[in-house]
Amino acid sequence: KAGVTQTPRYLIKTRGQQVTLSCSPISGHRSVSWYQQTPGQGLQFLFEYFSETQRNKGNFPGRFSGRQFSNSRSEMNVSTLELGDSALYLCASSLEGTGSQPQHFGDGTRLSIL
Amino acid sequence: ELKVEQNPLFLSMQEGKNYTIYCNYSTTSDRLYWYRQDPGKSLESLFVLLSNGAVKQEGRLMASLDTKARLSTLHITAAVHDLSATYFCAVDAYNDMRFGAGTRLTVKP
Repeated sequence: KAGVTQTPRYLIKTRGQQVTLSCSPISGHRSVSWYQQTPGQGLQFLFEYFSETQRNKGNFPGRFSGRQFSNSRSEMNVSTLELGDSALYLCASSLEGTGSQPQHFGDGTRLSIL
Repeated sequence: ELKVEQNPLFLSMQEGKNYTIYCNYSTTSDRLYWYRQDPGKSLESLFVLLSNGAVKQEGRLMASLDTKARLSTLHITAAVHDLSATYFCAVDAYNDMRFGAGTRLTVKP
């Protein structure tokens, strides 16, 4: 069974640009969550999607957005990139997203802003 | 605002010894998670704790949750080098999810 796939693995952008990251969950998993990890702020929850609906959102500005498609694949978009957006972005999937099942993580996308 | 505190932040231990990592949180919650992260790698889900008194064990790791004390512990028994990693707890309190700062564990022979 294929794991969670995140693309791209590495990305370099400049300030002011926008970026879209992709996450393909494990087959059959309907919940996808996104996290940001930085040396300064640590791990932070971005948002969770279930059946194409955003269920929860962390404390991030509106420049961070996401969506989920009918096949459960998810994308997150960051507009008007800032230096502080440099981070490892992790995606995780789970069966139902009730919080009662373990999450499975992708390898992450490492985003660098110049 | 939900706050999650982990301690210690750094832990160096000898193989074969036991130790406990603590995770305190500030508001009512009945969902607590433990994760492991190896250097340069992604997260691995270790335990999901959903109710007061929940205890889960996997190999040399055992996690417990006391919702009244707002405390979870991750106990390491007879540590081995392969357990060297950073361990995070995370608390989900009514759609507000926060992570602890992580405990960097080094197990030395």
